[in-house]
Amino acid sequence: QSALTQPRSVSGSPGQSVTISCTGTSSDIGGYNYVSWYQQHPGRAPKLMISDVTKRPSGVPDRFSGSKSGNTASLTISGLQAEDEADYCCCSYAGGSLVFGGGTKVTVL
Amino acid sequence: EVQLLESGGGMVQPGGSLRLSCAASGFIFNTYAMNWVRQAPGKGLEWVSGISGSGYNTYYSDSVKGRCTISRDNSKNTLHLQMISLRAEDTAVYYCAKVSEIRGQGTLVTVSS
Repeated sequence: QSALTQPRSVSGSPGQSVTISCTGTSSDIGGYNYVSWYQQHPGRAPKLMISDVTKRPSGVPDRFSGSKSGNTASLTISGLQAEDEADYCCCSYAGGSLVFGGGTKVTVL
Repeated sequence: EVQLLESGGGMVQPGGSLRLSCAASGFIFNTYAMNWVRQAPGKGLEWVSGISGSGYNTYYSDSVKGRCTISRDNSKNTLHLQMISLRAEDTAVYYCAKVSEIRGQGTLVTVSS
């Protein structure tokens, strides 16, 4: 069982928006602004999509956005595209350690 | 831009040792905690070890405690992970992270006889 809770899967049609939630506690997500989101395709290295809750690294499309409220972080993909179909995993600093979500499969219908 | 480049992986027999390194650039290295994260084949990301910016505080997962030592050289912007008594279950791609940011391609550690 992962420390952070994510839905197993979400889906949407091209052009739609989807939001992935990531729920932790006050000892991780709620206590620090070090939440990252990763996109991962099978056999590939995780790709950083969001850091520090809301920051997009260079090269990440602006249709990806991050937010946080209390102990829950969220990743929103606006204007879903076929290439966004992948696994997405959240990560939070937890005061000395890192905790991860179990991953969410995003399917583009 | 933040860059993290892992190295030092390889194939080793059970009971062997390896020293992983991570060269960091693009940020003020000594002001950030650093972490090692691994991903075993077909599995999710797993935190392995962390170290404070000063290097004074170190942290380990139960799965590697007593077998790994994390260190950093702030004069060279480099992070290390010394691993001993390696087991088959340590087989994974190892990534370094600036706090929670994995930026590199990782280094593969394979423990097999």
